[in-house]
Amino acid sequence: SQTIHQWPATLVQPVGSPLSLECTVEGTSNPNLYWYRQAAGRGLQLLFYSVGIGQISSEVPQNLSASRPQDRQFILSSKKLLLSDSGFYLCACGTGPNGVQYFGAGTRLSVL
Amino acid sequence: AQRVTQPEKLLSVFKGAPVELKCNYSYSGSPELFWYVQYSRQRLQLLLRHISRESIKGFTADLNKGETSFHLKKPFAQEEDSAMYYCALSGRGGGSNYKLTFGKGTLLTVNP
Repeated sequence: SQTIHQWPATLVQPVGSPLSLECTVEGTSNPNLYWYRQAAGRGLQLLFYSVGIGQISSEVPQNLSASRPQDRQFILSSKKLLLSDSGFYLCACGTGPNGVQYFGAGTRLSVL
Repeated sequence: AQRVTQPEKLLSVFKGAPVELKCNYSYSGSPELFWYVQYSRQRLQLLLRHISRESIKGFTADLNKGETSFHLKKPFAQEEDSAMYYCALSGRGGGSNYKLTFGKGTLLTVNP
């Protein structure tokens, strides 16, 4: 079965600094990969998804970007963080067109 | 556009009481519906999906296409059921096969 690794678990960054969150997947090949932001009272908001290496779809225009340099690696980035980027970021993996996704433990990002 | 509505942010019941978490959806085609659960300090995980027609941990959910609902039910709630519950929808066909739309979640508290 799939295992999703996310790091770091928590991160405190100053406004204007860059961001790189990494997600790697074990136990499957050619997965669909997703980045979500989870906010209290707002549920899970899909930010980006990827169906293959180098293929990125953005759901919400914002200060963030995503890349997929390898089959089982998904990176969330920003050149300059904003206060509004604070939140809990989740990486997820899906292995087929059936909607079942497996989630990482998440990264709590605080931008100060 | 896909939309999932969970009208209750918070739901509190006593142990042994029946519980129903409501979910309504909007989708023009034939959706696949899911319930995901997040227990305290654990990862978000799949609870059940409508296509499987299964009961997991005593929970069931029936897809009602006429009412566009997928309510989650359990006849006798247990304290360990306390968690955040998310209803999610995956569209069939085309690019929407790969994306889940989540509701905002319902925090269930089962009191002793």
